[in-house]
Amino acid sequence: TQLLEQSPQFLSIQEGENLTVYCNSSSVFSSLQWYRQEPGEGPVLLVTVVTGGEVKKLKRLTFQFGDARKDSSLHITAAQPGDTGLYLCAGGGASNDYKLSFGAGTTVTVRA
Amino acid sequence: KAGVTQTPRYLIKTRGQQVTLSCSPISGHRSVSWYQQTPGQGLQFLFEYFSETQRNKGNFPGRFSGRQFSNSRSEMNVSTLELGDSALYLCASSPGTSGNEQFFGPGTRLTVL
Repeated sequence: TQLLEQSPQFLSIQEGENLTVYCNSSSVFSSLQWYRQEPGEGPVLLVTVVTGGEVKKLKRLTFQFGDARKDSSLHITAAQPGDTGLYLCAGGGASNDYKLSFGAGTTVTVRA
Repeated sequence: KAGVTQTPRYLIKTRGQQVTLSCSPISGHRSVSWYQQTPGQGLQFLFEYFSETQRNKGNFPGRFSGRQFSNSRSEMNVSTLELGDSALYLCASSPGTSGNEQFFGPGTRLTVL
């Protein structure tokens, strides 16, 4: 059983459309990270959110951390084929717990 | 700065053999974590080392072991390989002193026949 549940599992959209990926848990996390992984490569860190209610923007990507620090969302505006990949959320525990718990991931395909 | 490097990138072994994977972290990073990634289970935490000491361990059998050297480079060993050990093994490094941000290497693709 995954500590972090991601939805949807798969998402296929046309270039220019918007999309949202969700990451939910019953546990509280001290921080939450989003990564993107492309085939044959390791995950690449996109953003870290640490404060409940925090919103971070990275160009066309908007990340939000829930008020209770149990959930997060990733919204992509005007998706492009280069956004295609596996999006993973990962929760960090207390400051002395250096283990990350990953969600199963959302596979996003943006069609040209 | 150079990123995290892992060697080898691909490996084919047969059941019962053992394997050693290597990871060189980003310069200055003292923490190295190892993860197993499979289509069915996703990313599963194996263990984390900091300054040559194992600080965290996941729920994997004792066949999976690791170590870290004084230069922060790390190795992971899997003994008595099983078919189910086929996976992408990812190494991640971080400064290790605060926060949980990790920087991943490209992984080693292990196939057990």
